[in-house]
Amino acid sequence: QQQVKQSPQSLIVQKGGISIINCAYENTAFDYFPWYQQFPGKGPALLIAIRPDVSEKKEGRFTISFNKSAKQFSLHIMDSQPGDSATYFCAASNTNAGKSTFGDGTTLTVKP
Amino acid sequence: DAGITQSPRHKVTETGTPVTLRCHQTENHRYMYWYRQDPGHGLRLIHYSYGVKDTDKGEVSDGYSVSRSKTEDFLLTLESATSSQTSVYFCAISLPGTGSHEQYFGPGTRLTVT
Repeated sequence: QQQVKQSPQSLIVQKGGISIINCAYENTAFDYFPWYQQFPGKGPALLIAIRPDVSEKKEGRFTISFNKSAKQFSLHIMDSQPGDSATYFCAASNTNAGKSTFGDGTTLTVKP
Repeated sequence: DAGITQSPRHKVTETGTPVTLRCHQTENHRYMYWYRQDPGHGLRLIHYSYGVKDTDKGEVSDGYSVSRSKTEDFLLTLESATSSQTSVYFCAISLPGTGSHEQYFGPGTRLTVT
């Protein structure tokens, strides 16, 4: 049973457009929801994260929207740039257990 | 980069041989993790450690063992490598005291089993 479902698998956006990646989770024990960005040949790097007691968090061009009742959260990248082209992973963490479960990833391509 | 190194960075080995991957951290983080990354499967947890000699299984632990005899080193062993274990392996740590367990990853080890 996949505990974190991520969509779409791949996404192509024009420069300046908005990129949206969605995730859904099952386990209500998850209490922390980070997003990671990964460039080819590198390890994933923490991008932005949210706790379930807030509905939105914004850092620069990156925004997480969180819907606790629907058990869904999404990453919005405003004014997408070619340098944003990467693979993005959502994750859901059970901080008591010290473990995270990752989505399958979304490959984002931003065309100039 | 949270002071994480992995060795080797690349390895090619034959089916049936034992393989050990090493993760080394320099900042005394308590939690350490081993993941494998495969196309279409994201990152899957193999084993993790919450202290010296304290380890537990993740979702894909079959065929793998780990050891942590020192805070700074977390070893992943494939007792008898199989072609299905061809993957990119990432070590990660999580920062203490944040209550969030956001994770910081090493550069990865690309393992090919022929």
